[in-house]
Amino acid sequence: DVKVTQSSRYLVKRTGEKVFLECVQDMDHENMFWYRQDPGLGLRLIYFSYDVKMKEKGDIPEGYSVSREKKERFSLILESASTNQTSMYLCASSLRAGPYEQYFGPGTRLTVT
Amino acid sequence: QKEVEQNSGPLSVPEGAIASLNCTYSDRGSQSFFWYRQYSGKSPELIMSIYSNGDKEDGRFTAQLNKASQYVSLLIRDSQPSDSATYLCAVPPKSNYKLTFGKGTLLTVNP
Repeated sequence: DVKVTQSSRYLVKRTGEKVFLECVQDMDHENMFWYRQDPGLGLRLIYFSYDVKMKEKGDIPEGYSVSREKKERFSLILESASTNQTSMYLCASSLRAGPYEQYFGPGTRLTVT
Repeated sequence: QKEVEQNSGPLSVPEGAIASLNCTYSDRGSQSFFWYRQYSGKSPELIMSIYSNGDKEDGRFTAQLNKASQYVSLLIRDSQPSDSATYLCAVPPKSNYKLTFGKGTLLTVNP
């Protein structure tokens, strides 16, 4: 069974704080992804990583950074949280080779006040 | 044209009926197609994958793929209230390990 875990289910932070969201997968997947999901906007890709220390911007990278120091762990960093970053954050992983199905973690509901 | 489009819904069906969810995609080179189920407040869960033209059945779920028409559908037979969720269609563009997700269709099964 694929297992993707995220560090928190719910998180409340203040504007301007630095926020770390962590994701760990135990299936030796090469690819890892961070999405945010907002009502009416669907899933939007923030960043992804296809190997340790490798990262690529997704569709909405502004205001975020990522870190992948180990294969199983992919962190999303909000350098200075803002209220428009209040959202559900979802981590996913997949194998490098096709067919590329992704497995999601439980999600982190982040509220920035 | 949006890359992956789903019937916007919401879709409401009575218990025991067949629910039909539809998805079209724009990249003719796509080779694999996925359906995810997402309950309210939860994360997406992979429920069906299909790679070849035709039908693929798994219990009450049937995925149908027509690459010529760039169309993939999900049929849920004998719908149950527990099937009430948002269903997301996802397609990786050719030679790309990212997935493009549709916006989802909210299905409600009424007892």
